[in-house]
Amino acid sequence: GESVGLHLPTLSVQEGDNSIINCAYSNSASDYFIWYKQESGKGPQFIIDIRSNMDKRQGQRVTVLLNKTVKHLSLQIAATQPGDSAVYFCAEMGYNNNDMRFGAGTRLTVKP
Amino acid sequence: EPEVTQTPSHQVTQMGQEVILRCVPISNHLYFYWYRQILGQKVEFLVSFYNNEISEKSEIFDDQFSVERPDGSNFTLKIRSTKLEDSAMYFCASSGWRGPNEQYFGPGTRLTVT
Repeated sequence: GESVGLHLPTLSVQEGDNSIINCAYSNSASDYFIWYKQESGKGPQFIIDIRSNMDKRQGQRVTVLLNKTVKHLSLQIAATQPGDSAVYFCAEMGYNNNDMRFGAGTRLTVKP
Repeated sequence: EPEVTQTPSHQVTQMGQEVILRCVPISNHLYFYWYRQILGQKVEFLVSFYNNEISEKSEIFDDQFSVERPDGSNFTLKIRSTKLEDSAMYFCASSGWRGPNEQYFGPGTRLTVT
């Protein structure tokens, strides 16, 4: 079946380095791709989204890249800080529905 | 900054009992959602609600589940007869004018079914 998934379950980086978290998706009909951050004991927190007609979108210290040819999504975090330590989920949804499907998550650990 | 709130933070119930999980979405939001997250697993969509009716539901959201917006502020999820496998974190979310792709999640209710 069609699904959203993540390449790496864990990622450890040094404070100040850039982080790249990857996600593969298989539903070519998805229209929105979204990144969420989940800290321990909290609900997911919206970070950034990108629509399928774009290949790059930038936010504050974050950049999302979308490669529809290989159905790949990535989240880049610049100058990673200890507060960025969390589980990061990619999610996808279609244009005309409210059914958001999450991937399995990548745990990012930032070492001081 | 407005936020989604959920009560209780932790609910323990016996198998077969009914539970109601409560949420107060962000006040000017129009779309409401419930998700669950079994410990150590990914977040799973249950249902979305717009204009006082269910707009989408997943295969998880069977006849044991129901949602209601009893007044202008609350949004509830009811599980009629809980099973052990219903034990999970339940997250409520809401979204506003930016649309369903930008959802704001509450802190969750941990449901433990014994």
